[in-house]
This record gives sequence, structure tokens and C-alpha cells, in this order.
Amino acid sequence: DTGVSQNPRHKITKRGQNVTFRCDPISEHNRLYWYRQTLGQGPEFLTYFQNEAQLEKSRLLSDRFSAERPKGSFSTLEIQRTEQGDSAMYLCASRDDRFSTNEKLFFGSGTQLSVL
Amino acid sequence: AQSVTQPDIHITVSEGASLELRCNYSYGATPYLFWYVQSPGQGLQLLLKYFSGDTLVQGIKGFEAEFKRSQSSFNLRKPSVHWSDAAEYFCAVGATGGTSYGKLTFGQGTILTVHP
Repeated sequence: DTGVSQNPRHKITKRGQNVTFRCDPISEHNRLYWYRQTLGQGPEFLTYFQNEAQLEKSRLLSDRFSAERPKGSFSTLEIQRTEQGDSAMYLCASRDDRFSTNEKLFFGSGTQLSVL
Repeated sequence: AQSVTQPDIHITVSEGASLELRCNYSYGATPYLFWYVQSPGQGLQLLLKYFSGDTLVQGIKGFEAEFKRSQSSFNLRKPSVHWSDAAEYFCAVGATGGTSYGKLTFGQGTILTVHP
């Protein structure tokens, strides 16, 4: 169990540029979640996957955001035409609910995005 | 819609003193309740969770929390704080029902400072 891994740890970009983040969940975890955390706030749910299927998207996830989990393992979160309001910590979490619906979430350390 | 309120943005205690962090939630039924801790540069770590049964739950690092349905509260306590407990603490509520579990609503967090 190597934990949930997120890359990069930090990303600085100029407004209008596209960025992509990667999340590698704990091996064999079937559910993967993306959250966003702005300064002074708790994390906010963005979207989640069961295997490769994206099952729910928050209203926070505008059309500029897209998430994929093509083979049911790692996931990417892309933000197109970034805006300063996108500056935040993007957190990924995973869990395995194949045998129990009560299994806890494991969070990664996050990707800190700064849009200049 | 579910929501979580953590009334105290910042709490300062002396090492060895007792601690209570407040959390109030809003949810239509009996919720899943969680406390997470986040240290700088670290991911969220689960301290404890409540699903059902005994309303006093024990967690890691000597923390406990009590679910009080009548007060819609889930306060976190520790009898004697250590300097290493300094961090930000988040209370969260999760919807019951297998497909929604993992989609958490977090409070805005309480920053704990520990004085020697």
C-alpha cells in the first residue's frame, strides 16, 4: 500500500493556459474522487469514478474541467483556459467498496495550482 | 442538502490541556460523520468516523467524538493535547447509501495551535 499519489505537487500557470493533474489511487481501489480546496475552506467534492465510469459531477465542475479514468486505474483532471479563480489545492482520494460499503477514503497530498 | 458548520476558525491551547472542537451538521437522516486532520503539505488523515451504534467513538491518536442527535453535533475531544496535534481539523458528513458514500461535505476547518 503506497498510498494515493498525486502529480505534480505544485503547478504555476498563466491565465488562459491548460493544465492537467494526475492521480494514482491505491492499487485495486475501484472508487476515485476529486475534491478542490481553496484557502481557508474545507475540501469540496468535484466528481467521482467507479472503475472507469464517471458517476457524478458537482455543479462546481464547469465545462472547462474534464476528468478521466480511462482504464479504471489512474485518473487525470484537466482544466482548460485556466482562470485565477481556479487557484486551489486539488485533492484526489480513493477507496475500495467491493466488499464493504463502509471502507474509508484515502486522500493524496494534493496538487497546488496557482494561476497568475 | 447536507452541510457542516465548525464555529471555531482558530483555537489555541496549552500542551497538556484538554481540547474540544465543535461540529454541527445538517442532514435529513442519520448521517455518516467523520473527523479528518490535515498537516501542512500532507493529505487528509481520518481520525475517526461514526456510522451507527455507540454514540461515543474512539479514534487514532487518543481522539474521541460524541454524536448527539438532539443537538446535531459531533464534537471532537482529546483529554491532553500534544504539540504534535497542531494542525487543521475538518469535520465532514457523508450521505448514507452506498453510491453516495465517499462524497463528503466538509466544514471550513478549525486550526489548532498548541503552546508549549
